[in-house]
Amino acid sequence: TQLLEQSPQFLSIQEGENLTVYCNSSSVFSSLQWYRQEPGEGPVLLVTVVTGGEVKKLKRLTFQFGDARKDSSLHITAAQPGDTGLYLCAGAGSSNTGKLIFGQGTTLQVKP
Amino acid sequence: DARVTQTPRDKVTEMGQEVTMRCQPILGHNTVFWYRQTMMQGLELLAYFRNRAPLDDSGMPKDRFSAEMPDATLATLKIQPSEPRDSAVYFCASGLVQAAGTNEQFFGPGTRLTVL
Repeated sequence: TQLLEQSPQFLSIQEGENLTVYCNSSSVFSSLQWYRQEPGEGPVLLVTVVTGGEVKKLKRLTFQFGDARKDSSLHITAAQPGDTGLYLCAGAGSSNTGKLIFGQGTTLQVKP
Repeated sequence: DARVTQTPRDKVTEMGQEVTMRCQPILGHNTVFWYRQTMMQGLELLAYFRNRAPLDDSGMPKDRFSAEMPDATLATLKIQPSEPRDSAVYFCASGLVQAAGTNEQFFGPGTRLTVL
């Protein structure tokens, strides 16, 4: 069974601080996605990484896919209150069923 | 701006009642997913469809849950009879799954179900 473990589960920081969220597995994924979910809404896709070692940037967010395509990280620079939310990583298997394996999520609170 | 829509957004019902949740996927997407989200379990996949055909409903309690896609613009999730433990937020998501694709999914706003 493929599993994705996210850490930390909860993070509360002050505005302006940097943070990193990790997503780890013993399984290889063909692609990995990061979503952000705000209270009362559905998850919103932030980025998809496909190639081992790939790095993508979205303003102050930097996403990295591990070389072996088993893990990923999300780094936020100078966090802002608007970054508050639940961050979910999700991996796609090689069979291309369309299914995603979701991590349990990291709840981020950025205090002004 | 294409979006997945879900109705109702909130539903409060009493134990034993039937609940029907509806989803309109994004036009052109060939795969529709139903998820349930709770604080304890996170996001759980209940069932999904490809080109309206059910592919996997192993995540669903079959004695009380049923999922259908009567046409390409409508997916439904029914619970009969509902129980308090079914209280959760139910999400529908759709995506275009292709042979060399990345399986990106687009979520609706969810239906918050409370069973008293």
